[in-house]
Formats: sequence, C-alpha cells, structure tokens
Amino acid sequence: DTAVSQTPKYLVTQMGNDKSIKCEQNLGHDTMYWYKQDSKKFLKIMFSYNNKELIINETVPNRFSPKSPDKAHLNLHINSLELGDSAVYFCASSQEASGGYEQYFGPGTRLTVT
Amino acid sequence: GQSLEQPSEVTAVEGAIVQINCTYQTSGFYGLSWYQQHDGGAPTFLSYNALDGLEETGRFSSFLSRSDSYGYLLLQELQMKDSASYFCAVIEGGSYIPTFGRGTSLIVHP
Repeated sequence: DTAVSQTPKYLVTQMGNDKSIKCEQNLGHDTMYWYKQDSKKFLKIMFSYNNKELIINETVPNRFSPKSPDKAHLNLHINSLELGDSAVYFCASSQEASGGYEQYFGPGTRLTVT
Repeated sequence: GQSLEQPSEVTAVEGAIVQINCTYQTSGFYGLSWYQQHDGGAPTFLSYNALDGLEETGRFSSFLSRSDSYGYLLLQELQMKDSASYFCAVIEGGSYIPTFGRGTSLIVHP
C-alpha cells in the first residue's frame, strides 16, 4: 500500500488555467504539507496543515490554496497558473505537527505550464 | 531567518566512506534531519538529530554539534545505489517545519 499518494503524476497546462493536485495519506498522520521543488532541486515548504492550524509560507502567492476535506487528504489548488509555477510539487505527512522532522513524501507531481 | 550550507557535489568510489557536511544558522534550533532523493524520486527520511552526538542507522550515521551549528551525514561502504541528492533540513522549534538545504549531489563511481 502506498503511504502517501498524489495525482496526477504529470500535469501539463497553459498559463491562466486553474488546476488541482490531490494528495492522500494512509498513515494516520495528523499533519500534512505541500512543497515546491524547482529545477535546481531547491525544496521549499509551501503549507503545513493539521486539523488545528494552517501555516502558510508568506512567500507563497495567494493563487495557491490548500484544501483539506479530511485528515487523510490535503489538496492543492492553483489559480491563474504562471510559467514560474512549473516545478515538482510534493505532498508529505508527519505523525503530528511536532514530528515534522520525519516526513513521508508522496511521489511528486511534475507541473509544466506552457 | 534560517540559512543552511552544504556542498553542491561530492564524488567517491564504491566501498569508500563519504561525509556530507551541513552548517546552519537559525534563531530557534530544534533539530537537524537528513533526507535522500534519487533522480526522479521523492525525498526519503534518513535520520534526525536533536542532541549532540552521533546517530547510527546501518551504513548511514548522522552527527550534530549544536554549539558549532554543524552536522554531517556519514555514508560508509558506499554502493552505486547511494548516488543521489542528500538534503539537510533544520527544524525550528515552535513550528517544527523543516527548512531544507540546497542538497548535495553524491556521485559514486565504480
């Protein structure tokens, strides 16, 4: 069984479109995250979320929004896509917020904006 | 803010030992984690240090010196499959959210 899964694995879309990436974890973890990894492999936290708190990296444009229908899911919505949004997006989870030192990552979604 | 420094690339031969260093600056240090990422893959957790000293997990060990704001990942008996990028990540108290370094590309030659 896959611990953290993401769909789609690849996403190619045009500038200006709105898209979503889905993430599910079956580990029973309380906290989930979204990361952006650019072409130079720099891994940057975008959001951290548990049932009590959403922590947003202040550098993330408000075109990006996380939505969590339940504890096992944290989806990423992106509005008005821009060329600079092209990257690999990783979802991750940890047992609890204070366990953020040990995270389990999904396989990633490679987003290409044309 | 936080900053981390690690070498961009390290090369070694199979069977050798390699050390990947990480220095950091942060205001509220909680711990240091290490992750491995193969090309096209996802980061996978390797180890975590909150206290000074060496943590050993099989062929991999991780060391932390809080007073020196320094840590390293030690890989022994290198194998070709160890060729990957290795990231250190500082965990800040309060948020417990990691800030990742830019990664070290390890190339293992036969």
